[in-house]
Amino acid sequence: KAGVTQTPRYLIKTRGQQVTLSCSPISGHRSVSWYQQTPGQGLQFLFEYFSETQRNKGNFPGRFSGRQFSNSRSEMNVSTLELGDSALYLCASSSQGLAGGSAYEQYFGPGTRLTVT
Amino acid sequence: QKEVEQNSGPLSVPEGAIASLNCTYSDRGSQSFFWYRQYSGKSPELIMSIYSNGDKEDGRFTAQLNKASQYVSLLIRDSQPSDSATYLCAVYKGSARQLTFGSGTQLTVLP
Repeated sequence: KAGVTQTPRYLIKTRGQQVTLSCSPISGHRSVSWYQQTPGQGLQFLFEYFSETQRNKGNFPGRFSGRQFSNSRSEMNVSTLELGDSALYLCASSSQGLAGGSAYEQYFGPGTRLTVT
Repeated sequence: QKEVEQNSGPLSVPEGAIASLNCTYSDRGSQSFFWYRQYSGKSPELIMSIYSNGDKEDGRFTAQLNKASQYVSLLIRDSQPSDSATYLCAVYKGSARQLTFGSGTQLTVLP
């Protein structure tokens, strides 16, 4: 089975711009979660999509949004970029994801390294 | 108190030894537990998942969960230099519906 793919792998943007990142999950997986990883804050949960619906959301401002398509591919958008948004953005693929009483195993993609200047 | 705590290390062990990595969590309602390995410049890789008290073994790796004491540990037997990485503990709480990661323990296996 092919793994999780993310595009682009590297991105440089300027403050105030917006950016869209893409994630294709493992075939058959319906859950895609997005995480931000920085040296200072570590790995933080952004949101989870399951069957085209945002099911869970972390504690991030509304500038961070996402969507999921019928083929389970997901996009994450960050508007009005700030310097502090520089980070590694990771998506994680899971068969059932964060399903209330239990969390199914999540498999990470290679990530998108975003630098905001 | 952080929700998920790990010793940041660095933890150094000689090749062939057992590496022991520990993680404590604050919420008794936590239900699912995971260990990830992350090499420098790479994304996290799932090593183990554990859902009930006790030990779970997979090759050289053993995860141990004690919900009463609120800790989960990872043992790596016969440590190899290729095991040198940062190990992340992740804990899921259904009421919060999100996976919370510890800050990671950096492990170095010395040849």
